[in-house]
Amino acid sequence: EVHLVESGGTLVQPGGSLRLSCAVSGFTFTSYWMAWVRQAPGKGLEWVANINEYGSDKYYADSVRGRFTISRDNAKTSLFLQMDSLRAEDTALYYCARVDVVVAGREDNYDSWGQGTLVTVSS
Amino acid sequence: QLTQSPSSLSASVGDRVTISCRASQGINSHLAWLQQKPGKAPNLLIYTASTLQSGVPSRFSGSGSGTDFTLTISSLQPEDFATYFCQHLGSFGGGTKVETK
Repeated sequence: EVHLVESGGTLVQPGGSLRLSCAVSGFTFTSYWMAWVRQAPGKGLEWVANINEYGSDKYYADSVRGRFTISRDNAKTSLFLQMDSLRAEDTALYYCARVDVVVAGREDNYDSWGQGTLVTVSS
Repeated sequence: QLTQSPSSLSASVGDRVTISCRASQGINSHLAWLQQKPGKAPNLLIYTASTLQSGVPSRFSGSGSGTDFTLTISSLQPEDFATYFCQHLGSFGGGTKVETK
């Protein structure tokens, strides 16, 4: 059974840093792209970042580029999100998701999700 | 960019429900639909516009190509009251909340 478990979310002050983790099991981690998707309280879904199977290709939403860094440890089947220079608008539930690349550059499906970890940015 | 309509709707068990998603440019059939229940993570329902994800009930169907897409629930069940999102690559629609009438 596919299992994704996020951790690391907490209350942090504006300008602070946080590192989120996602522990993965139940599938061949090295065969999949992975992603972070966030959801502000009462709002919709917002893609944050993607990373390829090898960790060599990374893509970011404009809203986080230059402040967030996605990475993975294939030996430990874990996904990470380093979040720096945090802002109030980064407050959200952060989901880790498995990406099924149906057609490269044309269709990515987020086919398995964790339960999320809450990041609150406030003084 | 993906625009969903309506943003919310009220329906009763047994009703036929349709949700629309419009893309700002043509995306062929490369669209997915996800369901999110309150307090839960999203769940993939349909991909490539009309292909049902494994385990998804057949009352769900998707159609469309190019810029206009539709998610249809043929006979709404109690467990279908949720929010539905369309998705293409890194873009998500704003969501449609299906509420009880």
